[in-house]
Amino acid sequence: DTAVSQTPKYLVTQMGNDKSIKCEQNLGHDTMYWYKQDSKKFLKIMFSYNNKELIINETVPNRFSPKSPDKAHLNLHINSLELGDSAVYFCASSLTGGDTEAFFGQGTRLTVV
Amino acid sequence: SQQGEEDPQALSIQEGENATMNCSYKTSINNLQWYRQNSGRGLVHLILIRSNEREKHSGRLRVTLDTSKKSSSLLITASRAADTASYFCATDGNQGGKLIFGQGTELSVKP
Repeated sequence: DTAVSQTPKYLVTQMGNDKSIKCEQNLGHDTMYWYKQDSKKFLKIMFSYNNKELIINETVPNRFSPKSPDKAHLNLHINSLELGDSAVYFCASSLTGGDTEAFFGQGTRLTVV
Repeated sequence: SQQGEEDPQALSIQEGENATMNCSYKTSINNLQWYRQNSGRGLVHLILIRSNEREKHSGRLRVTLDTSKKSSSLLITASRAADTASYFCATDGNQGGKLIFGQGTELSVKP
């Protein structure tokens, strides 16, 4: 029973394409996040949602659009993919928005060629 | 902006030895958390220490927090080969759950 699951695990696509990464959590958590990990393993938050409401929107290009159809799902859609978007994207969730541990998915390794 | 700086960036030890990793941060925090990441995997939460706590233990892990120096350390005692992973500190500054991660320490434990 995977707590936070994201699909796909690997995604290889050409520049200019549009792609989506899906995330689901079965922990009953209120808050979900997207983090990006670059090639140097540096992790940075992109977005967070609390009960379907956007809470955190870091300085991320408009080509990235999160969507939360319900509090158990947070998807990430990326338009017009660029080489620099290549990274590992992690979905995470926490019980509340802060002061508690986060549970991470296995990551989606996106490679733009 | 990057919050945490971790030291060392890489650490190689023998099984049975202790491993100490340090983390420094810049702004005030609610809590500080440590995560482990095995190669090609997601992050796993290890321990959370709140700003009013100084030390916390969990099994072979010991975490200290010095808010006056804005620093924390993670000690893994009696290390095992299975402890080989990257270890990250992350600060929670009461910004809606936003975690700001350090660069991580790559720990290699040789059998």
